[in-house]
Amino acid sequence: SQELEQSPQSLIVQEGKNLTINCTSSKTLYGLYWYKQKYGEGLIFLMMLQKGGEEKSHEKITAKLDEKKQQSSLHITASQPSHAGIYLCGADSGGGADGLTFGKGTHLIIQP
Amino acid sequence: NAGVTQTPKFRILKIGQSMTLQCTQDMNHNYMYWYRQDPGMGLKLIYYSVGAGITDKGEVPNGYNVSRSTTEDFPLRLELAAPSQTSVYFCASSRQGPTYYEQYFGPGTRLTVT
Repeated sequence: SQELEQSPQSLIVQEGKNLTINCTSSKTLYGLYWYKQKYGEGLIFLMMLQKGGEEKSHEKITAKLDEKKQQSSLHITASQPSHAGIYLCGADSGGGADGLTFGKGTHLIIQP
Repeated sequence: NAGVTQTPKFRILKIGQSMTLQCTQDMNHNYMYWYRQDPGMGLKLIYYSVGAGITDKGEVPNGYNVSRSTTEDFPLRLELAAPSQTSVYFCASSRQGPTYYEQYFGPGTRLTVT
């Protein structure tokens, strides 16, 4: 079965600084999703990557999928308090209709 | 559109009790999913459905049952609740399979079994 490892597990960043979260898969990724979860709430979709080398941006968040399609990174530029939360990567293993496999999440804290 | 709604938001069950977690979506999505999230862990798939009348097991189905009689609703049934089922349960839906379509998540149901 596919496993996703996220690093770091937690991250404390001063407001205004840049940061990167990584997601590494044990198998080839057919679709890689990034979600954000605020404490005690549901998951909010950020981005989806499918093609090796693909890069997408939304506001100050950029996600990339490497050429070999086994690792993705999420980069936040000039972090703000609103970026705080848990970032989860989820992957489609290419098995068809069943759901996503998720990493354990990265807890991001933004210090003012 | 309300998106994906879940009820209740919180529930405390005693060991051996049963309950149904409700999930409804108003986006006319064919695919629906139930996940559980344990502290410090990622989400794990319990059951999924690709359309009304069709359900299938995910990674952790033991102790749960589902049904899908309509496109909109996908209830999750817990029979004989056990402490190991203490978790946060998320329902999700998507237009089609996960390769091309994002999953929309509900706000979750926080369940404690004591």
